[in-house]
Amino acid sequence: AQKVTQAQTEISVVEKEDVTLDCVYETRDTTYYLFWYKQPPSGELVFLIRRNSFDEQNEISGRYSWNFQKSTSSFNFTITASQVVDSAVYFCALSEAVRFGNEKLTFGTGTRLTIIP
Amino acid sequence: GAVVSQHPSRVICKSGTSVKIECRSLDFQATTMFWYRQFPKKSLMLMATSNEGSKATYEQGVEKDKFLINHASLTLSTLTVTSAHPEDSSFYICSARTSGRGAEQYFGPGTRLTVT
Repeated sequence: AQKVTQAQTEISVVEKEDVTLDCVYETRDTTYYLFWYKQPPSGELVFLIRRNSFDEQNEISGRYSWNFQKSTSSFNFTITASQVVDSAVYFCALSEAVRFGNEKLTFGTGTRLTIIP
Repeated sequence: GAVVSQHPSRVICKSGTSVKIECRSLDFQATTMFWYRQFPKKSLMLMATSNEGSKATYEQGVEKDKFLINHASLTLSTLTVTSAHPEDSSFYICSARTSGRGAEQYFGPGTRLTVT
């Protein structure tokens, strides 16, 4: 069974601080995808990144960076120089290859990030 | 590109009535659509997966007769909550994707259902 654990339920940091959101996953699949989504108060899920299991390169996009480590089954997300607009709930997710073309997403429980001005 | 809409965004209905929620892919053909449910301050739980032209596949514990899903075209899927009760009050989110392994899921803005 697929499982995604986000141990941090809530985090608060002062604006401009860096913050890392942890994500640990479990899967028996050798091929899988990992995702991060942002859910602001409006409720709409905003896609941030997708990473496949064969690509362990870290990725940086502006103030966002992701650290994928298969050895520890982790896919952590770091926001540098945080801003108030970063306040949201962040979900890590794992796709399961049930059969070709029908991958299901398993979501973690989310981390509520509050940036204090 | 890759925009998914949901209608309505909010709905309040009386207990015992049925409510239909629409999910549309506006600028791409969605071979597969997913329906999720999210309780306040909780994670998204997959309810069902629907492929265009075929019956939906429901997750364990989701009542098929209560949550009717129809995916009649490549751009539209509907979720009907039949005989709604207050415990069905939740945030319902759909997502849509094209074919191909790992194809991105694009999420709709969600529908907040309140059953009184």
